[in-house]
Amino acid sequence: DIQMTQSPSSVSASVGDSVTITCRANQGIRNWLAWFQQKPGEAPKLLIYGATTLQSGVPSRFSGSASGTDFTLTISSLQPEDFATYYCQQAYSFPCTFGLGTRLEIQ
Amino acid sequence: EVQLLESGGGLVQRGGSLRLSCEASGFTLSNSAMTWVRQAPGKGLEWVSFISDITDNTYYADSVKGRFTISRDSSKNTLYLQMNSLRAEDTAVYYCARNVDYGLGSYYMAYWGQGALVTVSS
Repeated sequence: DIQMTQSPSSVSASVGDSVTITCRANQGIRNWLAWFQQKPGEAPKLLIYGATTLQSGVPSRFSGSASGTDFTLTISSLQPEDFATYYCQQAYSFPCTFGLGTRLEIQ
Repeated sequence: EVQLLESGGGLVQRGGSLRLSCEASGFTLSNSAMTWVRQAPGKGLEWVSFISDITDNTYYADSVKGRFTISRDSSKNTLYLQMNSLRAEDTAVYYCARNVDYGLGSYYMAYWGQGALVTVSS
């Protein structure tokens, strides 16, 4: 199975800050990676697919990048509604594993 | 508008069975790849099972293989997850999700239901 190592597990930031979350795959996944946002009591929401493509309706302050087996989600100019938990997920092979998540908290 | 509505969750004893349903609307289920994902209380997301769109190929996480079965009834536009030999560690909120092929080489879980809670008592 492909392992997705996500870091950090939690991060504190203020409104207006920029944050970066990283996910590393233990083998190549051809940029077949998604990022999800989940708020308490809600279902996850797809933010980015194909490592870099923004899902329709997602604000442009969210962006994804890829370099080999390293992937990053960057949120610029944090808004109050961005404080949530974020997960990466590889869509390259079954089982389609998730990272352990990053909790983004208000500082 | 795409909507997914899970049902069938509840309290079941260890070793028991339960069938989750995911009623789809706004699209044709038989033409879509679908996934079940679960989330134990206070924990992260765990991919559980997938059924492909054309060939109905199925895939399972090792943790549920041989115990869970994913299927669909096209006439009812409903996806199912039959769960047998349930264990305490299967306690979780179970989400169904519709996978979309954006032409980038894979499927991505673009639409999600609200989730159904399954509690396995020991």
